[in-house]
Parts: sequence; C-alpha cells; structure tokens
Amino acid sequence: NAGVTQTPKFRILKIGQSMTLQCTQDMNHNYMYWYRQDPGMGLKLIYYSVGAGITDKGEVPNGYNVSRSTTEDFPLRLELAAPSQTSVYFCASSQGQAVLSEQYFGPGTRLTVT
Amino acid sequence: QKEVEQNSGPLSVPEGAIASLNCTYSDRGSQSFFWYRQYSGKSPELIMFIYSNGDKEDGRFTAQLNKASQYVSLLIRDSQPSDSATYLCAVSDNNNDMRFGAGTRLTVKP
Repeated sequence: NAGVTQTPKFRILKIGQSMTLQCTQDMNHNYMYWYRQDPGMGLKLIYYSVGAGITDKGEVPNGYNVSRSTTEDFPLRLELAAPSQTSVYFCASSQGQAVLSEQYFGPGTRLTVT
Repeated sequence: QKEVEQNSGPLSVPEGAIASLNCTYSDRGSQSFFWYRQYSGKSPELIMFIYSNGDKEDGRFTAQLNKASQYVSLLIRDSQPSDSATYLCAVSDNNNDMRFGAGTRLTVKP
C-alpha cells in the first residue's frame, strides 16, 4: 500500500494564479481531510469529506474548494492564489470519524505564493 | 474559539530521562485526544490517543487525561535521540472536527 500520496511536492505560484493539489489514498478510507500548516503552527482543517460526493468546511475554508468524486481522490483547488496561502498542505485519511480514528497523512505539498 | 495550547519549547532532556509534554484545551465538549509526532520536514504520525480520564500506557509512552482540568499530557520514558521531534496535541469534539496545537519541539541529547 502506498497510503496517502500527494502531488506536487513543491510549487511556486504567482498571485492570482490557480492550481489543484492532488491527494489519493489506497486504503479504501471513507474519510479524507485537507490541512494547512504554517511555520511554527499547528495544522488547521480546511475541508473534509465523509465519502464520495460529500464534503464540508473546516476551520479555514476561505479561498479553497474541494470535490470528492471517488473514494480514492480528494483534490484541493486554490483559486486566485494569495500570499496568505503560502503554507504546507497535508492531506489525510481515516477509516472512521476523526473523533474515533487515527488519521494517516500524506507527505505534504509545500506551496509558496509570490 | 476552540483553542489547543502547547508550550512551544524547545524542551531539552538528556538521553534516558523522562520527557513530559503538556497540552490544555478550551472546549469542555472535547471527547478524544491525540498525540502526533512530526519529524522536521515530514508529516505527522500518530503516537497514541486517549478518550477517558486517567492514564494510558503504550511501551515507553504514557498519555494522561484530566477532563476536569482540561489537560492532557504525554510522558516519554527512557528518552532516545530518535524521539527528537515536534509533538502535536490534537483534540476532537465531534465527528470530524480536529484542532491541533502548535506543537512542542523536543530535543533528546545523547
């Protein structure tokens, strides 16, 4: 099992550009999450999904969009990138609800917006 | 605002000592509590979780939870240099909301 994979590993965007961060898991987990981690800070939940076709906002959803068309994939879309979105983005998945389950994290995408 | 607070450190302990990491949380409705370890430049990985008041032991690690004081801690016995990492406390109060603290950086000196 590859677990949770993310692409790209690194990306530099100009202000106003858009991009999609890819996330795939091969553990057949229904629950998937997107977090951002700013330097010296904890992870903040952007969006989560409890299954294909179902998504919901987390703590910091503004400036982002998600979709979940399959169990395996949970892409994160940035529209009109801003310097405040410079961060490391982690995708995670879990077998059950977050309150009851271990989350498995991908390796992260380091994004810089200049 | 639901807050999870940790001392950012760095916390430095000699090899073989006990490292004590602390975390407080603001939401009394919190139900589950997780400790994740994150090596520099890597993704978090779960150390252990605890739901009930008291202690939970797993090898060299012990999690302690006191819901009345809204306090959770992680003890690492016989600390090793390989334990040097940032330890993230995470708290969940409902089905899928998870709040992380900023983490405590631990250094174990040989």
